Amino acid sequence: GESVGLHLPTLSVQEGDNSIINCAYSNSASDYFIWYKQESGKGPQFIIDIRSNMDKRQGQRVTVLLNKTVKHLSLQIAATQPGDSAVYFCAELSGGTSYGKLTFGQGTILTVHP
Amino acid sequence: DTEVTQTPKHLVMGMTNKKSLKCEQHMGHRAMYWYKQKAKKPPELMFVYSYEKLSINESVPSRFSPECPNSSLLNLHLHALQPEDSALYLCASSQVAGAYEQYFGPGTRLTVT
Repeated sequence: GESVGLHLPTLSVQEGDNSIINCAYSNSASDYFIWYKQESGKGPQFIIDIRSNMDKRQGQRVTVLLNKTVKHLSLQIAATQPGDSAVYFCAELSGGTSYGKLTFGQGTILTVHP
Repeated sequence: DTEVTQTPKHLVMGMTNKKSLKCEQHMGHRAMYWYKQKAKKPPELMFVYSYEKLSINESVPSRFSPECPNSSLLNLHLHALQPEDSALYLCASSQVAGAYEQYFGPGTRLTVT
């Protein structure tokens, strides 16, 4: 079946380092790829999205890269802070933007040490 | 107000009980969602409501019954649940169905005994 998955289940970094979280996907027909952050005791929170016809998108301290050739998605967080500690999920939106549904990948636990 | 609220925060119920989970948003969103999240797993879509009508049911067992009384409220009625239904139930909303930016509530932690 089609799925979105992650290479690394955990990532531990020092405060101030850059973090890179990776994700592999298999559904080439997805319209959007999205990153969500879930802190302990909270629901997922939208971070950034990238449309399937783009390669790169930047936000505040975050950059998402999409490599459609190898079906790979990554989230780069610059100058990682303790508040960035959370589980990060990649997700894909498929089925069109009027009917589409989100399918989440398995998640990566990011731990930032002060 | 960009908040989705859910009540209760925690719920313990027996397999013969009937209970309801409630979700509310006041962002004017016309799509609302129920997700189920097991420990250390990603959220899994259960239902989607679009303009107060059920548009997606991800083959969820009938012991889960969603209801959307109006555009701001979403309920999930529970009856005759099994212990394996214990999970975090997340409600989300978005401007319209199919939007990639969804706003999630904190969830209801459900334990079925």
